Amino acid sequence: RKEVEQDPGPFNVPEGATVAFNCTYSNSASQSFFWYRQDCRKEPKLLMSVYSSGNEDGRFTAQLNRASQYISLLIRDSKLSDSATYLCVVHNYGGSQGNLIFGKGTKLSVKP
Amino acid sequence: EAGVAQSPRYKIIEKRQSVAFWCNPISGHATLYWYQQILGQGPKLLIQFQNNGVVDDSQLPKDRFSAERLKGVDSTLKIQPAKLEDSAVYLCASSLPGSINEQFFGPGTRLTVL
Repeated sequence: RKEVEQDPGPFNVPEGATVAFNCTYSNSASQSFFWYRQDCRKEPKLLMSVYSSGNEDGRFTAQLNRASQYISLLIRDSKLSDSATYLCVVHNYGGSQGNLIFGKGTKLSVKP
Repeated sequence: EAGVAQSPRYKIIEKRQSVAFWCNPISGHATLYWYQQILGQGPKLLIQFQNNGVVDDSQLPKDRFSAERLKGVDSTLKIQPAKLEDSAVYLCASSLPGSINEQFFGPGTRLTVL
């Protein structure tokens, strides 16, 4: 089983739609969780951290369920500019600082 | 603020040749990472430096890959000899000490091995 697994995608949605991405992780000792965004042929950029209590940033809501080892990202009122690949990222502690484990990513395409 | 700089942006080589990539992190970022991102995959950590010391190189194929950060600032990643499966984007990232959570990535070097 891969350490971080995501929905295979791609997700093709119309503008204004609500879309949800799911992610599971295998290491129950994982401490921190994030969503990164990667535009086509660009570098990944941190979108938001994910907290157990759930957190929201504008149209984006992230949820974490530690018991199920499950992370989600909800995007409301999708914009054309939301088209990108969304990477689920887990921080595993170890060594000096541990390391980030990236999922394969889920591609989102928002159409007019 | 200047971001992470990488060069070259693109490189095409034949298998068994050697190649080197350069990275200059954000000023003040003591931690530097090299990732390999194969098409359709997420980035995979190759090596992590804290200043000029190696923190984690457990996933670096040491028979052909090497990296250094001699003065604790910029870094080079070398592949010698290259294989077809090394075709990927090589991403450099940096972060403040203790801030592994937010890594700032450079634009990457897209390597094609023919």
